[in-house]
Parts: sequence; structure tokens; C-alpha cells
Amino acid sequence: DQQVKQNSPSLSVQEGRISILNCDYTNSMFDYFLWYKKYPAEGPTFLISISSIKDKNEDGRFTVFLNKSAKHLSLHIVPSQPGDSAVYFCAASGSGTYKYIFGTGTRLKVLA
Amino acid sequence: EAQVTQNPRYLITVTGKKLTVTCSQNMNHEYMSWYRQDPGLGLRQIYYSMNVEVTDKGDVPEGYKVSRKEKRNFPLILESPSPNQTSLYFCASSPTSATAYEQYFGPGTRLTVT
Repeated sequence: DQQVKQNSPSLSVQEGRISILNCDYTNSMFDYFLWYKKYPAEGPTFLISISSIKDKNEDGRFTVFLNKSAKHLSLHIVPSQPGDSAVYFCAASGSGTYKYIFGTGTRLKVLA
Repeated sequence: EAQVTQNPRYLITVTGKKLTVTCSQNMNHEYMSWYRQDPGLGLRQIYYSMNVEVTDKGDVPEGYKVSRKEKRNFPLILESPSPNQTSLYFCASSPTSATAYEQYFGPGTRLTVT
């Protein structure tokens, strides 16, 4: 049973436009959420996180939104750049645990 | 250079032949973890360690063992590999368990079990 779901395997966006990557979760005990980016032949790199006590967190071009009632989070990238083309994983962790559940990933392609 | 290293990077082996994938970090991190990445399944956590001699199961620990005898090393042991353990494996580390949301990943080890 997939507790963290990324239902869009891929997404294409024009350079300069907004990219919106979505993630849904089922476990209401999750209280910390993160996004990682992965380029081919490299390990994932941390992008941004959000605690369940917040509904928004920004870091430069990247903003994560959390809707707890809908058990949904999204990553917005504005403006999108060709270097953002990568696979994006969302992940979640529960209170008091150090175990991380990742989604299946969304491949973002930013077209120049 | 601060990094997480894994060895080997590529390995082809046969069913039942014990193997160890090493992971080492030079950042004095307390938290370390192993993941596998499979098509359509994303990243799945195998085991993690909050500090020396403290390890715990992730989501998919079956068929794997780990040990954490020293802070910098966290080897992944497959006692009797099977073809369903063919995967891309990543080791990761973080300064502490409290900061484990931000993990530094190694470059990956591609394992094929025939």
C-alpha cells in the first residue's frame, strides 16, 4: 500500500512558466514532508521541506504547499529553468520516527 | 570534500553469493540510511541508523542486514542475494536524526543478481 503517491509520472513545462508537482499521502500521522530532486546517474539531493504546522514554505524559486485536510502537498517552481529537468520525489515522515516514505517520483522536463 | 561514498558502484553477482556494499561518510554524521530505487516504486528505505550501534528497519528490510560499528561506515549486507534484490541502491547520511529530513546521498550502487 503506497502511503505517499505521486500520480503524475511525468510533466513537461515551457521554460519560464510555473511547474507544479503534486503529491498525496494517506497516513495522517505524517508530520514532516520533503522534496528531493534527482538527476540521472546521481544520488537525490534535498530541495525543500515543510512541517505539518505550516501550510507554505518558500526557498527562492521553490515553494511547497501543504493541505493537511486533503492530505496533499505540491511543489511549485517559478520560473522553471531547463536545469530543473530531473525526477522529483516527495517524501514523508511520522512524528517520533526517523523512517522516511518516498513517492514514486515525477519526471519534470523543462523545454527551452 | 564532504561526501558519501559507496563501493562498488556496479556489481553483478549470482543468487546466494553473500555480498557487502560499503558506505562511508566523512562528515561526522550520526544518521545514516540505505534505500533502493526501482522503476515504478520510487525510493524505498531499507534500514537506518540513528547512531553507532543503533539501527532500525525501514520499509523493506527483508533479505538485508546492516551494522553500524563506527560512525563513518554503514555497510549493507545481502547474506543470500536473490534476483528480486536487483536494484539501484543509495546510501545517505544526515548530521543527526533530528535533521534527517535533509539527507546527503551517495552516488548509488547498481546491483544485478542473476
